[in-house]
Amino acid sequence: GAVVSQHPSRVICKSGTSVKIECRSLDFQATTMFWYRQFPKQSLMLMATSNEGSKATYEQGVEKDKFLINHASLTLSTLTVTSAHPEDSSFYICSAREPGSYNEQFFGPGTRLTVL
Amino acid sequence: AQTVTQSQPEMSVQEAETVTLSCTYDTSESDYYLFWYKQPPSRQMILVIRQEAYKQQNATENRFSVNFQKAAKSFSLKISDSQLGDAAMYFCAYRPNTGNNRKLIWGLGTSLAVNP
Repeated sequence: GAVVSQHPSRVICKSGTSVKIECRSLDFQATTMFWYRQFPKQSLMLMATSNEGSKATYEQGVEKDKFLINHASLTLSTLTVTSAHPEDSSFYICSAREPGSYNEQFFGPGTRLTVL
Repeated sequence: AQTVTQSQPEMSVQEAETVTLSCTYDTSESDYYLFWYKQPPSRQMILVIRQEAYKQQNATENRFSVNFQKAAKSFSLKISDSQLGDAAMYFCAYRPNTGNNRKLIWGLGTSLAVNP
């Protein structure tokens, strides 16, 4: 199956700093990528849908100025958590949709963000 | 609005036995996909099985099979000959097959324990 990578896998930062998370589709071109947030023992919460070359579409309640998404190429989307605070600590997962008959989403391994 | 409901927060099964995880959904669409995803402790999301709504035949993947009841909007997952490696969170998800972004709608998950 298609492979999606995320970097970094873990990051610890101080409150007030910004953190960038990269999501790459390694063996296919993804016109659409998705960013999720997952709290412990909970389901995935969609934060935004990222389309290559256009502005991301954010879900209700997600601050677009805090969670900056850039999808500059068909294989790379980035999520930047700006001015991070402890409440932003979470597990962030990206997925990339492979064009085709199933339009299947393939998931990255996730990034654990801890804000001190 | 489309919703997915998993009514069993936790389930357990003896190794080599069979277990069924429940999922119901609500939609007014007729063209859609249903999925079961597995999230082991590594937190990598893995596709277990998919079902296309217009196919009456239940999908199967080795030890995994579904019971898809379209009229009842039910989509249960049966795991046969359970193995220790099956222990994980299992998420049921729905995705419409129309529209530009085709977001996944997630259930809250079922935590499956496999007892030796």
